[in-house]
Amino acid sequence: GAGVSQSPRYKVAKRGQDVALRCDPISGHVSLFWYQQALGQGPEFLTYFQNEAQLDKSGLPSDRFFAERPEGSVSTLKIQRTQQEDSAVYLCASSPEGLYEQYFGPGTRLTVT
Amino acid sequence: RKEVEQDPGPFNVPEGATVAFNCTYSNSASQSFFWYRQDCRKEPKLLMSVYSSGNEDGRFTAQLNRASQYISLLIRDSKLSDSATYLCVVDRTGANNLFFGTGTRLTVIP
Repeated sequence: GAGVSQSPRYKVAKRGQDVALRCDPISGHVSLFWYQQALGQGPEFLTYFQNEAQLDKSGLPSDRFFAERPEGSVSTLKIQRTQQEDSAVYLCASSPEGLYEQYFGPGTRLTVT
Repeated sequence: RKEVEQDPGPFNVPEGATVAFNCTYSNSASQSFFWYRQDCRKEPKLLMSVYSSGNEDGRFTAQLNRASQYISLLIRDSKLSDSATYLCVVDRTGANNLFFGTGTRLTVIP
């Protein structure tokens, strides 16, 4: 079946530009997570949705980062006024209700020049 | 101190060898524990959950020591296809909020 998909797969942005990263979770998955993975590091938690409710956004590094999931399915991570330190792979994961396993998408590799 | 600490390696082992990875976590209230596998430029995938009693899945054995806040993964009879980065993962809050280690890179050599 279809897994988690993310788009675009690669994004190059000039410093100061806004970007929007999309995640399509597995159909029916209640929980959706965003992570940031810098080169040579493990993924770091950014934010978590249960259906359309954003239950935890403690990992968002600054107020330039904003995530939404208005209808409880597709989610968008928006980064305003991108900085070079935002360069990373942004991973989206989803999981069914009540289960721990998170299924990851292929990620969006963001490069800020 | 980082939430989850792992030796980044790299570990280079011959085919057929047994290799062990260790990981420590800082929060004693952590609730659930996992090993994920990540291939180069790919997404992480769950390898196995780690239970207090220890658990085995084929050639893979995971152990948890809550008193020492220590998690291990043992791979027996290494295959070339085991080459990957192994991520130690802790759910500290019980709300599926996962904390990942930096990963341990394994290369199995023919």
